[in-house]
Parts: sequence; C-alpha cells; structure tokens
Amino acid sequence: DGGITQSPKYLFRKEGQNVTLSCEQNLNHDAMYWYRQDPGQGLRLIYYSQIVNDFQKGDIAEGYSVSREKKESFPLTVTSAQKNPTAFYLCASSISGESGTQYFGPGTRLLVL
Amino acid sequence: AQSVTQLDSQVPVFEEAPVELRCNYSSSVSVYLFWYVQYPNQGLQLLLKYLSGSTLVKGINGFEAEFNKSQTSFHLRKPSVHISDTAEYFCAVSAFSGTYKYIFGTGTRLKVLA
Repeated sequence: DGGITQSPKYLFRKEGQNVTLSCEQNLNHDAMYWYRQDPGQGLRLIYYSQIVNDFQKGDIAEGYSVSREKKESFPLTVTSAQKNPTAFYLCASSISGESGTQYFGPGTRLLVL
Repeated sequence: AQSVTQLDSQVPVFEEAPVELRCNYSSSVSVYLFWYVQYPNQGLQLLLKYLSGSTLVKGINGFEAEFNKSQTSFHLRKPSVHISDTAEYFCAVSAFSGTYKYIFGTGTRLKVLA
C-alpha cells in the first residue's frame, strides 16, 4: 500500500531538548510539507521541499529545521528555540506541478514535559 | 495573496438531516479548491477537489461541493448525515506561485446528533 507514515504517534520533549519527527512516503512524490496544527487555528506551514536537497521556509519556520537527503524522507527537528512546541504535526506530500493536491500522514502529537 | 474563510466553527445537525458547510475564498489568480476531513487524532483525508470542468464535484462518503466563481464559494453538502460523519472539515485553496501552496481555513467541527 502506498502512503505516508509518521512516527512516533506521540512524542514528549523536555525543556532544552531537540526532538525529531519522522516522515516517510512511498508515493514517489517530489514535494513534501510539514504543518503545525493548533486548536482553532487550522494548519500552518512550517517548511516545504520540492526536490531532494532543497527546502524553503513556510510561514512559521522559527525554531524548526528540516533536511531532505532522500526523496522518500523529510524529517522535522523541533529545536529548543521553539518555545511553544506543543501541537499536532502533520506531514504531507504531492506531485510537483499537478494542482498541488496534497496527501497527509497520520500525524505526530508533541507534548512538553 | 489568497485567503480562506470558514464562517462556521461548529455545526450541530441531527442524524439523517442535510448539512452544508460553508467555505469562501479570495484570490487574484485562479485557484484549485479542496475539502478534507479529519477524525480525532488522525491526519487529513481528501474528500473532494475542484480543478476544472463541472462546478459540481462529487467526493467520497456521499459528500459533494459546488464551485461558485461569482460568489467565490465552495460549499460542502451532504443530503443525509450519519453519526460517523462527526469530524472536523477543512477547506483549502491552492494557487501557483513558483510552487503550489495550500491556504487552509480554520475548520468546521460537524457534530451529528442521534
């Protein structure tokens, strides 16, 4: 089955700690995205990548970092500089240049201890 | 720049009644339009999309939406809802600006009552 997987489902972060959220897709999609979801605010774009070894900041990139070393993988690191990291994080992918229809993973909920 | 407005944050409706979830957008360029559904603690699932052609779009789970260019709307409808339709629904627009990027509405929580 083709799809997008995110792990872990729940993640706990201590003060001053960096944590990494995994996102893998086997849809052969070129573009991948990370969103943050907070109650009542919809989804906000953190970072996106159109091709391997290239990525761009979204609307709320501060305190986050990404890498895109493989087409299938787009991990997100929540750094200690992100002062309010508690949220639901969603990864998505799409075929570049085709209306941009995005397909989403199941999400990771990050909680601060 | 594009924007999306979902005027209703919550919509309660009785089982087997019809429902309409409203979505309005603004854009200076052509857009593609999408509706997604999110069940608790899950990702977003694509319900339907409008890319071009017929303005009435049919999706999964018996939902449909109508693109109205003059009113810049893309309302989602279902003639008879089930308890299992209880979820949050997001409208999104996609426009090309070097790449396709989504702008999401803030979501409408549909609560189906027995």
